[in-house]
Amino acid sequence: QSALTQPRSVSGSPGQSVTISCTGTSSDVGGYNYVSWYQQHPGKAPKLMIYDVSKRPSGVPDRFSGSKSGNTASLTISGLQAEDEADYYCCSYAGSYTNVFGTGTKVTVL
Amino acid sequence: QVQLVQSGAEVKKPGSSVKASCKASGGTFSSYAISWVRQAPGQGLEWMGGIIPIFGTTNYAQKFQGRVTITADESTNTAYMELSSLTSEGTAVYYCARERLQSPGVFDIWGQGTMVTVSS
Repeated sequence: QSALTQPRSVSGSPGQSVTISCTGTSSDVGGYNYVSWYQQHPGKAPKLMIYDVSKRPSGVPDRFSGSKSGNTASLTISGLQAEDEADYYCCSYAGSYTNVFGTGTKVTVL
Repeated sequence: QVQLVQSGAEVKKPGSSVKASCKASGGTFSSYAISWVRQAPGQGLEWMGGIIPIFGTTNYAQKFQGRVTITADESTNTAYMELSSLTSEGTAVYYCARERLQSPGVFDIWGQGTMVTVSS
């Protein structure tokens, strides 16, 4: 159960779009449509942003979208805003009622 | 609205054990699992394991097998995580999170975290 691979950091100017990748294997990301994404501000608990690859919980802006191709899932933030600056983690079901998180990506709004 | 309220910070000696609690306030555990997620200082999230209270079944990440025990008391809507043989690597914030049974890995409600410091 190795952590899913994410870029350490991504950045963009306000209004731009950024995409965060999350690469796993056929035993996790590629094997199930159970990829979720979490936003975490410093000192706070994570917040669910995307689940089941591309579904948004109520209250999450539609600027956040998710997708998956093969063993790689992606989170796109469109129309980047200052409050989007945070750490983002992907998570995938890995079978046998186990889950695995990604390594995390720091999003910086320039 | 359900909230998960966790126990307070702990300081433990190397080699000892820690037991953290997670109480559902304003609701119950029914139809959900409870997972525990660890975050060391400046590090990422790490899924440790989970329990489905209505079935009493538990599952653990390989890394923590044999060292972590997750239990739940449905009568008090409280889940527990006990981690033994602590080392300095155990210094971390431990979160509990509610997980949807229909969608594994979907943690929609989180506790505020329990800070555990392992120090001699």
